[in-house]
Amino acid sequence: GENVEQHPSTLSVQEGDSAVIKCTYSDSASNYFPWYKQELGKRPQLIIDIRSNVGEKKDQRIAVTLNKTAKHFSLHITETQPEDSAVYFCAASIMNSGYSTLTFGKGTMLLVSP
Amino acid sequence: GAVVSQHPSWVICKSGTSVKIECRSLDFQATTMFWYRQFPKQSLMLMATSNEGSKATYEQGVEKDKFLINHASLTLSTLTVTSAHPEDSSFYICSANNRAEITDTQYFGPGTRLTVL
Repeated sequence: GENVEQHPSTLSVQEGDSAVIKCTYSDSASNYFPWYKQELGKRPQLIIDIRSNVGEKKDQRIAVTLNKTAKHFSLHITETQPEDSAVYFCAASIMNSGYSTLTFGKGTMLLVSP
Repeated sequence: GAVVSQHPSWVICKSGTSVKIECRSLDFQATTMFWYRQFPKQSLMLMATSNEGSKATYEQGVEKDKFLINHASLTLSTLTVTSAHPEDSSFYICSANNRAEITDTQYFGPGTRLTVL
């Protein structure tokens, strides 16, 4: 099955700095890569996603890049703010009998200090 | 749109009892619903996938007789933890695909925190 590795496990930055979180996946058949933000005790919130036919996608301060050859994808957050502090999960999705299942990375705890 | 609810939001039960958790898609019909378990400071682990009207598909290592899933309609799936034990204490989260969307996007419920005494 799919295996998703995520690094780093924790990331501390100063407000205004950029943050980068990296993930690798094992199954070349995976074709959908979402990123979720989860605050303590809350549901995961989709913040951005990318499909395998696209190399990069940007939404305001958030961007995701995908390298299919190397099987890795990254989340970039620019001009970080304290409210960006949360746990971020990457995931990879593969079609299976008509539906897709997500395999999550272990998560990155991002702490943005004012 | 694409709102998923769960009930209850938290539950405390005695060891040996059974607990039922409901997952509902409020404003869409769900093709598929997923059940995850998340232990403190850990990632989401997929437990099972269910499609309306058919048996759930369980992930390796998840006991189907202990975690009963019933997907009764396109808007409701239930997870019953039978004979719960303290090690079953966890955050259980469901998600759903929107039948009307040609996409893999999963919409997550708010989660149910289960504590077994």
